[in-house]
Amino acid sequence: AQTVTQSQPEMSVQEAETVTLSCTYDTSESDYYLFWYKQPPSRQMILVIRQEAYKQQNATENRFSVNFQKAAKSFSLKISDSQLGDAAMYFCAYRSGGATNKLIFGTGTLLAVQP
Amino acid sequence: DVKVTQSSRYLVKRTGEKVFLECVQDMDHENMFWYRQDPGLGLRLIYFSYDVKMKEKGDIPEGYSVSREKKERFSLILESASTNQTSMYLCASSLSGYTRNTIYFGEGSWLTVV
Repeated sequence: AQTVTQSQPEMSVQEAETVTLSCTYDTSESDYYLFWYKQPPSRQMILVIRQEAYKQQNATENRFSVNFQKAAKSFSLKISDSQLGDAAMYFCAYRSGGATNKLIFGTGTLLAVQP
Repeated sequence: DVKVTQSSRYLVKRTGEKVFLECVQDMDHENMFWYRQDPGLGLRLIYFSYDVKMKEKGDIPEGYSVSREKKERFSLILESASTNQTSMYLCASSLSGYTRNTIYFGEGSWLTVV
């Protein structure tokens, strides 16, 4: 079975600084997708970034980028120029390449942004 | 915009009550999901459905059942609520297929069982 591990329950960053959230996963599949979701206090889950396993290039979305190390099964999220609005719970998630799209989540990292 | 609506945001129920959590999506999605979110445990899949009247167990189905009589609606049922089912419940939906289909989430239903 696939598992997703987030080893940092809480992180803190100063506004305008850079922070990296860690995620590792375990799978024997070759076709899969990885995601980072943001959950602000409103509890609405927001997709931050997506990475297809077959792509070697790391995904980037504005201030958010990932470091995808397929052999090491590592998928970290880097947030550059952190803003107060980035404060949230961040979840790493795994999805198999099949049709059902079900996600397997890590336990989350609570990010605080200090002004 | 895709909308996944969970009709009850906050519920307080008594132990032993039958509880229905309703979820409706407006984008004709085939797949629908119910997750439970607890501190330190992340989101865990309870059940999912890939078509009307079709369902599969997720990782923690014990104590829950589901119903999908119409494509847009997916209900989570607690037959006899217990205090250990106090949690936040998130519904989600997506298109089916092998493409980069985005999964959309509702805003969550906070359930307290007393």
